[in-house]
Amino acid sequence: EPEVTQTPSHQVTQMGQEVILRCVPISNHLYFYWYRQILGQKVEFLVSFYNNEISEKSEIFDDQFSVERPDGSNFTLKIRSTKLEDSAMYFCASSDDSGETQYFGPGTRLLVL
Amino acid sequence: GENVEQHPSTLSVQEGDSAVIKCTYSDSASNYFPWYKQELGKGPQLIIDIRSNVGEKKDQRIAVTLNKTAKHFSLHITETQPEDSAVYFCAATTNDYKLSFGAGTTVTVRA
Repeated sequence: EPEVTQTPSHQVTQMGQEVILRCVPISNHLYFYWYRQILGQKVEFLVSFYNNEISEKSEIFDDQFSVERPDGSNFTLKIRSTKLEDSAMYFCASSDDSGETQYFGPGTRLLVL
Repeated sequence: GENVEQHPSTLSVQEGDSAVIKCTYSDSASNYFPWYKQELGKGPQLIIDIRSNVGEKKDQRIAVTLNKTAKHFSLHITETQPEDSAVYFCAATTNDYKLSFGAGTTVTVRA
């Protein structure tokens, strides 16, 4: 069964550094998403991406964040100048052309020291 | 924006008994309600979903009910098994495809 994959599974970085989280969505999916889950809190929407542009973003998704689909398979989340409070599990998700049913990857656990 | 509340936060049941998790939502425009199961070290996995034009949906031991008037929906797991132990999340969305999640319910099935 096709699934969303994410790399790395864990990332440790120093405060102020840039990180890139990578995702490979399900191959025939058209909508892509990033969510995050801070330890002990709800899963929060960050951004949705369709047709090579951001379709919606939350107030969390400020200028520190950016997304890109650099080729036909990868979908990346870049976090510039990381802060301690960026430590969280980051989930990528994708959905087909209906846009509704979202399938999640296993997540990347980011720890900012 | 949409606010989803989920109860209880933890639920312990004897194997074979039923488990019920309840969620309420605030945005009456929400029309799609998925449920996800998250096992340790894994991402949320969709287990069942319901759309606003349906009041109930069942898939083997799992069922979901939706009351649009009251703005609440529930997950029912019957004949629970140890492998049902996990964290369960409800979510809601309008047509913008942005999922708003509940806080999660940790279900423990006692053998």
